[in-house]
Amino acid sequence: GQQLNQSPQSMFIQEGEDVSMNCTSSSIFNTWLWYKQDPGEGPVLLIALYKAGELTSNGRLTAQFGITRKDSFLNISASIPSDVGIYFCAGPPPYSGAGSYQLTFGKGTKLSVIP
Amino acid sequence: DGGITQSPKYLFRKEGQNVTLSCEQNLNHDAMYWYRQDPGQGLRLIYYSQIVNDFQKGDIAEGYSVSREKKESFPLTVTSAQKNPTAFYLCASSISGSRHVILGYTFGSGTRLTVV
Repeated sequence: GQQLNQSPQSMFIQEGEDVSMNCTSSSIFNTWLWYKQDPGEGPVLLIALYKAGELTSNGRLTAQFGITRKDSFLNISASIPSDVGIYFCAGPPPYSGAGSYQLTFGKGTKLSVIP
Repeated sequence: DGGITQSPKYLFRKEGQNVTLSCEQNLNHDAMYWYRQDPGQGLRLIYYSQIVNDFQKGDIAEGYSVSREKKESFPLTVTSAQKNPTAFYLCASSISGSRHVILGYTFGSGTRLTVV
């Protein structure tokens, strides 16, 4: 099936630093979704991207839909301790039969913030 | 407020026992999903249901069973056949269909199952 590759797998940063992570696919995606999972909780949708080249912000978070439609990027500026968690990218892969209306998820980037 | 509720938050099971995890939503979503999460493994799909009285196996369905008798409810049973059931289980729901999947899923807060 379709796979989304997220990098880095994990990162440790100092509070106040900016963070960048990305998600890539071998296939074209028409929608990119970014979720955050707080420790011990379920993922929550942060940002949705629907157009190639689109740049969308949500507070200190900014996400971009890659021009090639095979990648997406998430940036967090001026990190704070509550940014800790796992960030997942997701998207519906191109139609390929039954079940293709489901989301494919990346394996996540685990972010740790050192105060 | 609409949402999706998983219970219990923590569950302990003795080896050889079946256990059922609850998932209830009042979002009027047609589709519901169960995922298993292990450290470093991401989210792995166990079962999904697009409509009442119908469900499909996901990538790791062996040792699990589900039912979908009501739109609001999608319980997951972890059977004794599941050899390594200790994990974090997430339930999700969404509006069904290819046009709406771009809106994403709403997740519950998870159930952590531990075999003792």
